[in-house]
Amino acid sequence: KAGVTQTPRYLIKTRGQQVTLSCSPISGHRSVSWYQQTPGQGLQFLFEYFSETQRNKGNFPGRFSGRQFSNSRSEMNVSTLELGDSALYLCASSGLAGSTYEQYFGPGTRLTVT
Amino acid sequence: AQSVAQPEDQVNVAEGNPLTVKCTYSVSGNPYLFWYVQYPNRGLQFLLKYITGDNLVKGSYGFEAEFNKSQTSFHLKKPSALVGDSALYFCAVRDGRDSNYQLIWGAGTKLIIKP
Repeated sequence: KAGVTQTPRYLIKTRGQQVTLSCSPISGHRSVSWYQQTPGQGLQFLFEYFSETQRNKGNFPGRFSGRQFSNSRSEMNVSTLELGDSALYLCASSGLAGSTYEQYFGPGTRLTVT
Repeated sequence: AQSVAQPEDQVNVAEGNPLTVKCTYSVSGNPYLFWYVQYPNRGLQFLLKYITGDNLVKGSYGFEAEFNKSQTSFHLKKPSALVGDSALYFCAVRDGRDSNYQLIWGAGTKLIIKP
């Protein structure tokens, strides 16, 4: 099976702009989670989508939003970018491995806000 | 509330020596425990998990972890470290009774293996 893919891999944006990141999960996986990773804050959970519905949400401002399509592909949008949004954004899809669900991560999108 | 603690920001080990990366957790129900590794500029990769059964779990790349219920710990170990093991390691937990599959993540431990 192909792994989780994320596009683009690298982005440079200016403060105030908006950005859309894309994630394609492993075939058959219906859950997609998004994380923000920064050196100072570690791995922070943004939100999870399951069957096109947001199932869980972390503590991020409304500038961060997402959606999931019928083919389970997911997009994350950040509006009015701030310098502090510079981070590695990771997407993970969840699927059964044996008797439990495991998360499989994509390579991430490195966002730099200038 | 569920939580995970990785008490060491960084662990330094000489190549060939045994290594341990510590993790303690707090879960009200049955702990499902995971270790992931992240190499520079890469996503996280699954190493191993404990769900039930034998307290010693073996995973990828020669790593193993020991589940200790009384100490609520799940330390990651390897008998002989390699320079290539240098990476960022994350411990994660969730309550096995919870239908919400979201993991609670530790802050990560940077492992540095010196030649």
